[in-house]
This record gives sequence, C-alpha cells and structure tokens, in this order.
Amino acid sequence: EFVLTQSPGTLSLSPGERATLSCRASQSVSRSYLAWYQQKPGQAPRLLIYGASNRATGIPDRFSGSGSGTDFTLTITRLEPEDFAVYYCQQYGDWLAFGGGTKVEI
Amino acid sequence: EVRLVESGGGLVKPGGSLRLSCATSGFTFTNYSMNWVRQAPGKGLEWISSVSSTSIYKHYADSVKGRFTVSRDNAKNSLYLQMSSLRAEDTAVYYCATTPHGYRALGFMDVWGKGTTVTVSS
Repeated sequence: EFVLTQSPGTLSLSPGERATLSCRASQSVSRSYLAWYQQKPGQAPRLLIYGASNRATGIPDRFSGSGSGTDFTLTITRLEPEDFAVYYCQQYGDWLAFGGGTKVEI
Repeated sequence: EVRLVESGGGLVKPGGSLRLSCATSGFTFTNYSMNWVRQAPGKGLEWISSVSSTSIYKHYADSVKGRFTVSRDNAKNSLYLQMSSLRAEDTAVYYCATTPHGYRALGFMDVWGKGTTVTVSS
C-alpha cells in the first residue's frame, strides 16, 4: 500500500513568515509525480504544484515545490493572510493517493 | 470558463444506492481523464476512482472496489459514479475533478467541482 505521510500536522505561523511542509512517501514516487493542493474551509481543493516543482496556472511564485524519490517539500516563502489553509500532497505515479494534510494556522 | 457541477447527492439508508453526476463545460471533455475524490466530515481527501478519456482505463480505491462504478458519456460531457451497498463510512462530500490528459487515468487534478454531499444513515 502506498502511503503519503505529511508533517507537521499543524503549523502555527504568522503572516510574513516562511512555511515548510513535508510529504514523505512509503515508496519512491515515480517520475516525481507529486502534486500539492490547498483547501480552505467550505471550498474545493485547488491545485498548486504538479510534477513536484511546477506551479499551476495562476499560482503566486511564493509557492514552490521541491524533492524527489520519497521526500518532497512545499515552501511558502512569505505567508499572506489568504494562505492559511490545509495543504495536501498527492502522488500519481504508480497509483493515486493523498497525504493526510497539514493545516497552516495563524 | 471551465465548470464542473456535481449533483445527485442526498440521504440514503445503509445498503442503498445512489448515482452521482458531474456535468462539465468549457473544455474539450474527451481530452481529459476524470476523477472522483471524497472528503468525509472533518477528514482529509480520499481518492476513490478515475477513468481515462475513452473509458479504457478505470481505477478504484480498495475502499469502494466492487461497490462503486465510474462511467462517462463523452457525448454529454458528463461523468457518473454509481454507488451501491452504501455504508455509513461512505458519508462525505464527493468531488469530481479533471486530469489534463486522456490516455492515462492517473494524474494530478487541475480543476475541481464544488462537490455534492452524500449522507448514509438510517
């Protein structure tokens, strides 16, 4: 079973600070087929990053993704008020799976 | 404008059936694979099914395999999820989402609908 583990579960930060979110896979993610999503309360998820490091259309450059193999990171360089949300990673290499999410709170 | 609109959710008794629909517009439906993802109350995202553009490939999560069936009607630009033998743990918001290629059902999901709520309870 392919498992994605996100850490930390909750990240408490202030606007303007840097956020670093981790996603660790139980097996190597083939071709770095790893995506990141943002979800705000009552809303559908929004694609941020695909292919581990490619920003989706319209996503600000303060969001960046990195990593390969089993370890991936989403970085938000300077948190804006609208960035406080839950973030999910998803692998789509050999199968499909979401991580459990990281909540970024004020 | 790309639009995905889910419908068909509601209250159903355990063991019952329900059919969800996802009506799409604003893009070439046959160029995309399609997905269903659900979110139980207060929980994270759970992928449940994907279908390639021509329906050659269909994939299911173990939690729904044998109970749920995904299908699409390319003439109607619509995606469906037939759910049977429903359980309390199937209670969730069900989202449809696009994957921007048609040949391989598995991929990232670039556009999402707002979701439809399914409640399984007696």
